[in-house]
Order: sequence, then structure tokens, then C-alpha cells
Amino acid sequence: KQEVTQIPAALSVPEGENLVLNCSFTDSAIYNLQWFRQDPGKGLTSLLLIQSSQREQTSGRLNASLDKSSGRSTLYIAASQPGDSATYLCAVRETSGSRLTFGEGTQLTVNP
Amino acid sequence: GAVVSQHPSRVICKSGTSVKIECRSLDFQATTMFWYRQFPKQSLMLMATSNEGSKATYEQGVEKDKFLINHASLTLSTLTVTSAHPEDSSFYICSAGAGESEQFFGPGTRLTVL
Repeated sequence: KQEVTQIPAALSVPEGENLVLNCSFTDSAIYNLQWFRQDPGKGLTSLLLIQSSQREQTSGRLNASLDKSSGRSTLYIAASQPGDSATYLCAVRETSGSRLTFGEGTQLTVNP
Repeated sequence: GAVVSQHPSRVICKSGTSVKIECRSLDFQATTMFWYRQFPKQSLMLMATSNEGSKATYEQGVEKDKFLINHASLTLSTLTVTSAHPEDSSFYICSAGAGESEQFFGPGTRLTVL
């Protein structure tokens, strides 16, 4: 059974700092991995999707890497801003069209 | 990206009543929709997978007679919480597949059962 773990569970940083969020998964046979952002009481916003054949994806200040063999992914946020404060969720999909397995999330607070 | 809507966004009901939540894909056709539940400060837990025109597939521990799912068209899936109780109070989120690789999530429905 696939299990997804995210470390740390919570993170508080000053504005402008670069930071890394970690995600690990137990079964490396994944189809793709997706990073989401969730604001309190809201749904999920997809940030980055990495296919199993890819090593990284970038969008603006966000960069996500994938090391499938070791079962790890990282989300790098450059020059953090207070508006980045949210919970960040990592999820893996094991086959095409299948459901996502989510980690517990990292609650990020960026202090002005 | 593709847009998924949910209605209502928030509902408060008395114990014993039934509540229907709609999930719509607004600008694409979704053959598969997923229903998740999220308790406070916890991650999303998949409840069931809804396939258009066929019965939903429920995850272990989810009562199919309590959580009725209907996926009557390629743009609409509904989740009905029957005889709701306070322990059913949660945040319910649906997602819809656009193609084979990505899911788009609705904004969620906050259910409070008194």
C-alpha cells in the first residue's frame, strides 16, 4: 500500500527566505506526482505535476524535483512571500487515471 | 487549468437529514470523478471513485449505503450523505480527471451536522 509522508509538518520562515518542502513515498512505481496548495477552508490548487519520466518542473518561484528511485520529491520555493502561507500537499498517482494518495501536508507560514 | 465547481459550498443540517453535494466539471468532460473527505488538520482521504454510467467504487471502510454517489453525465457527479450524523461533519472535496494524468479539484463543501 502506497504511503506518502511530508516533512516538516509545519514551517515558519521570514519573508524572502528560500525554503524546501519534502515528500517521500514508499512505492517508487508511480505514474506521476503532484504538488498542491490549500488555503484554510478552501479546495486544492494544483501547483506542479511531474511525470515519472521527469526529474523536475518549474513554475515561477516554484521548482519541484522528483527522484523516483529513492521515493522522494522536493518543492523549492524561492524568495518566499506572506502570500505563500498555506498548506502544501504532495500526492502520487500509481497508474494512469487512478486515484491520488496524499501526504499529510506541510503548513507553511511566511512572516512579513 | 480546467474548472471544477461544487455546490453548495457550505451546508448546515440537522441530524438525520440527507444532504446532496454536486460536483461539476465546467469546461471539460470527466469520465472519472473522485470524492475525498478531509477532517480538520488532516489530509484528504479518498472515499470513492465515480465512473460515468457505472457504479462507484468505494474505499475500504466507507459505507456505500450512507454515501450515495451518482455519476449520471460526463460533467456531473453527486454525493448524497444519507441520515447525516455529527460525525459526518467534514470538508468534502471532489476532483475530476482531465485526460489521464491530472486531476482538478473543486473548492470543497463544508458540511456541519448539528
